[in-house]
Amino acid sequence: GENVEQHPSTLSVQEGDSAVIKCTYSDSASNYFPWYKQELGKRPQLIIDIRSNVGEKKDQRIAVTLNKTAKHFSLHITETQPEDSAVYFCAARRNYGQNFVFGPGTRLSVLP
Amino acid sequence: DAMVIQNPRYQVTQFGKPVTLSCSQTLNHNVMYWYQQKSSQAPKLLFHYYDKDFNNEADTPDNFQSRRPNTSFCFLDIRSPGLGDAAMYLCATSRDTGGTTIQETQYFGPGTRLLVL
Repeated sequence: GENVEQHPSTLSVQEGDSAVIKCTYSDSASNYFPWYKQELGKRPQLIIDIRSNVGEKKDQRIAVTLNKTAKHFSLHITETQPEDSAVYFCAARRNYGQNFVFGPGTRLSVLP
Repeated sequence: DAMVIQNPRYQVTQFGKPVTLSCSQTLNHNVMYWYQQKSSQAPKLLFHYYDKDFNNEADTPDNFQSRRPNTSFCFLDIRSPGLGDAAMYLCATSRDTGGTTIQETQYFGPGTRLLVL
């Protein structure tokens, strides 16, 4: 089955700097990769996703890149702000009927 | 305009006393999931319904059951809660078109935090 690894497990950056979180997956048939942000005590919220027919996607300060050959995808946050502090989860999924497999999460702290 | 609703938001139960958590959705999604999430960990899938078809994860304890009486509602029953079952329980939904090219987003409810005394 699918296995998703995520690094680093914790990340501290200064406000205004960039943050990068990387995930690797094992199943080459996976074709959908969402990223979730979860603040303390709240639900995971989708912040960006990418499908396997696209190499990069950007939404304001957030971008995701996908390397299908290497089976990894990364979340990039630029100009970080204190409100970006949260736990970020990546996930991967194959075709319909398959489950989302989550990475273990990255705790991002943005220091003012 | 809440899309995935969970009730209650907080549930306190006693060791061994059955408890039911509920989830409803206004998205008309055909897939509903139940996850268990413990502190600082990723959500762990317990089971999901694909339409009416129930799919149990291999490592989900028998203590956990689920019901989906219609498209909008799904329930999680914990028959005999133990201390180790204290966690956040997240319901999620997605729409599966049956195709291989379009993958739909998974939406989470706010969660029910279960405390076992």
